[in-house]
Amino acid sequence: KAGVTQTPRYLIKTRGQQVTLSCSPISGHRSVSWYQQTPGQGLQFLFEYFSETQRNKGNFPGRFSGRQFSNSRSEMNVSTLELGDSALYLCASSLSLWGDTQYFGPGTRLTVL
Amino acid sequence: EDKVVQSPLSLVVHEGDTVTLNCSYEVTNFRSLLWYKQEKKAPTFLFMLTSSGIEKKSGRLSSILDKKELFSILNITATQTGDSAIYLCAPAKEAQKLVFGQGTRLTINP
Repeated sequence: KAGVTQTPRYLIKTRGQQVTLSCSPISGHRSVSWYQQTPGQGLQFLFEYFSETQRNKGNFPGRFSGRQFSNSRSEMNVSTLELGDSALYLCASSLSLWGDTQYFGPGTRLTVL
Repeated sequence: EDKVVQSPLSLVVHEGDTVTLNCSYEVTNFRSLLWYKQEKKAPTFLFMLTSSGIEKKSGRLSSILDKKELFSILNITATQTGDSAIYLCAPAKEAQKLVFGQGTRLTINP
């Protein structure tokens, strides 16, 4: 069974631009979570989607948004990029909403210049 | 506020040694605790612990959870250079929200 896939793997943007990252979960998984990883803050929860609905949200500004499609694929969007948004963005999928192991994708490395 | 503290932050040992990594947590709506191994890529799943006192084992790795004292340990016996990585502890809250600790960087020298 294929794992979680994320595209693109690497991205370079400039301040003020916006970016869209994509995540395809493991086949059959319906829950998708997004995390930001930086050297200073570690891994931080962004949001989670299940059945096309955002179920949980972390403490990030409104510039960070996401959505989930009927096939469980998810996208996250960051608008008006700031230098501090440079990070590894990880997507994780799990079977359902409660009590299942989350499996991580390879991540998208975003660099904001 | 949720808090996850891992110790030590960094550990250097020789191949063949046994190591114990610690994770203490204070999170609301605790559901389970997960351990991940991260090398130069995405975290890979090691264990999910939901019940106190029940050890989970996978080869040379084992882990246990104490829900009363709010901590977990990850043991690695007969360490190998391939065990060098950052080990992350993550309590799971409501739904699937994971709260990660800062990680323990383990280095195994040959």
